[in-house]
Amino acid sequence: GIQVEQSPPDLILQEGANSTLRCNFSDSVNNLQWFHQNPWGQLINLFYIPSGTKQNGRLSATTVATERYSLLYISSSQTTDSGVYFCAVTPFTGGGNKLTFGTGTQLKVEL
Amino acid sequence: DAGVTQSPTHLIKTRGQQVTLRCSPKSGHDTVSWYQQALGQGPQFIFQYYEEEERQRGNFPDRFSGHQFPNYSSELNVNALLLGDSALYLCASSLSGTSGGKTLRETQYFGPGTRLLVL
Repeated sequence: GIQVEQSPPDLILQEGANSTLRCNFSDSVNNLQWFHQNPWGQLINLFYIPSGTKQNGRLSATTVATERYSLLYISSSQTTDSGVYFCAVTPFTGGGNKLTFGTGTQLKVEL
Repeated sequence: DAGVTQSPTHLIKTRGQQVTLRCSPKSGHDTVSWYQQALGQGPQFIFQYYEEEERQRGNFPDRFSGHQFPNYSSELNVNALLLGDSALYLCASSLSGTSGGKTLRETQYFGPGTRLLVL
């Protein structure tokens, strides 16, 4: 099946700093979503972005489908950004509609 | 507009018991998927229900079964519980269908999860 790798696995930032999270995937996809999992376990949708660039406030994401990677940018980080960020994909063929998740990036934003 | 809801929020069972978890999809959605998330890992796909049938299944044993009702809500049943079944169980809803002959791969929205502890 499709493989999804995220980097870095852990990240510690000072409040106000910027960061870039990366997601590499091993096959063509027609669904890619970024999620933020808060400390209570809730997965919050950030972006549906199988290709192109989107922005939502301090967050933006870019997926380069031909090169099989996606980037999540967090600017001016806040303590409420802490948690685990997951990338999840559905392969273009043979994947149905199931999401395959990466191992996540654990982000901690400190004052 | 209610989002995806799940019940119960927490559950404690002993080995060998059976458990039923419930999920109501987001309004307007017709497809429900279930995922298991062990501590420190990403969610793993269990199965997906559409039109009251299991449409796709991940690598989980037959102890894991499900059901979808006419109102699109869904249940996940786990029989003969093992210690390793302790996890966060997440339900996701989406809208299936086709457009221009192509299968829609729509955004999936997740519920708050049910934390299951097997002792």
